[in-house]
Amino acid sequence: EAGVAQSPRYKIIEKRQSVAFWCNPISGHATLYWYQQILGQGPKLLIQFQNNGVVDDSQLPKDRFSAERLKGVDSTLKIQPAKLEDSAVYLCASQPWGGDTEAFFGQGTRLTVV
Amino acid sequence: GENVEQHPSTLSVQEGDSAVIKCTYSDSASNYFPWYKQELGKGPQLIIDIRSNVGEKKDQRIAVTLNKTAKHFSLHITETQPEDSAVYFCAAVSYNQGGKLIFGQGTELSVKP
Repeated sequence: EAGVAQSPRYKIIEKRQSVAFWCNPISGHATLYWYQQILGQGPKLLIQFQNNGVVDDSQLPKDRFSAERLKGVDSTLKIQPAKLEDSAVYLCASQPWGGDTEAFFGQGTRLTVV
Repeated sequence: GENVEQHPSTLSVQEGDSAVIKCTYSDSASNYFPWYKQELGKGPQLIIDIRSNVGEKKDQRIAVTLNKTAKHFSLHITETQPEDSAVYFCAAVSYNQGGKLIFGQGTELSVKP
């Protein structure tokens, strides 16, 4: 079974530029998460999708971050404009149906904002 | 919302010793508690989990205990090996909050040969 795919693996941008990350979850998984992981900290939930609907985006800085999951499969996370404090690893995870099932993580995208 | 606190932030043990990591959670409705291991440059990977109707679960050298009354759960690794060195995260899921997965801050475990 193929795992969660994320791209790119690394990205360096200047502040105020925009950037987009892509995630392809495990086939058939209904739940998809985006997490932000700052160095030395635990993953912080940004947004949770169930199929193509948003379950929770209370921690997403909506003035600069946006995310979509068209057709309930692939997802993109965008930052526009980026700030220095956005430097982090962005992790995507998927679950068969959420709740008490195993979440599978991608390798993440390491973003550096200079 | 749910808040998960994890201690210690770093832990260093000698090979063969035991390691214990502790977590507390705030939402009494949380009912699923997974533990993840994250190696450098990789995403977290599930190593063991426990549901609220169980007090203890063991898988070879790894065990997890849950105290619902006190709202805390712990990870126990026995006979530690150098390959156990990694960052470990506890997490909690509450159906009251849409079943989202909330993580603790992480424990960096170092096993010295």
